[in-house]
Amino acid sequence: QSVLTQPPSASGTPGQRGTISCSGSSSNIGSNTVNWYQQFPGTAPKLLIYSNNQRPSGVPDRFSGSKSGTSASLAISGLQSEDEADYYCAVWDDSLNAWVFGGGTKLTVL
Amino acid sequence: QVQLVQSGAEVKMPGASLKVSCKASGYTFSGYYMHWVRQAPGQGLEWMGWINPNSGGTNYAQKFQGRVTMTRDTSISTAYMELSRLRSDDTAVYYCARGWLHFTDLDYWGQGTLVTVSS
Repeated sequence: QSVLTQPPSASGTPGQRGTISCSGSSSNIGSNTVNWYQQFPGTAPKLLIYSNNQRPSGVPDRFSGSKSGTSASLAISGLQSEDEADYYCAVWDDSLNAWVFGGGTKLTVL
Repeated sequence: QVQLVQSGAEVKMPGASLKVSCKASGYTFSGYYMHWVRQAPGQGLEWMGWINPNSGGTNYAQKFQGRVTMTRDTSISTAYMELSRLRSDDTAVYYCARGWLHFTDLDYWGQGTLVTVSS
């Protein structure tokens, strides 16, 4: 059971907008900034969004993040087949004194 | 460019110990925390702890306290994660990842080290 709650799966058609939610608590999302990672099978996670809504260099602006209270969301506009991957939210938890991850969401582009 | 290069895959017997290395390059090793994260087959990401390469200070996830030891050798810009008393459910890919502060994003990750625990 993950501290952060994500839907196990999400899907959309090419060109659509996709969103993935991440729900936490006051000790994690409510207190610290949220990060999102993209992971393809057999590869290491890649930082996609940091500090709630910032994109590292090289990440397309189709990807955006937001946070409100104890929840966060990742949005992908104009879905592409190459966006099929697993997505994880992550944040520092002040009570656990530990990093916590969501269980991951498998995105399928139909 | 920033690179974290980890040691190769290992097969271990239950009860044995494991030591994975993570060699950093392209940045000042002592300037960033090094975290260890693992991923069991078909499962999500699980944080194990961090080491401050500058001070050697560590913080381990409660689940691994007593079994994990994180160290570093600043002379060769390498971090190590040792896990003892291995069990079959320790079978996973182990990643190192750096973070500027202990609570800021893990921005660069190693390629991962597959560890299989089996008799």
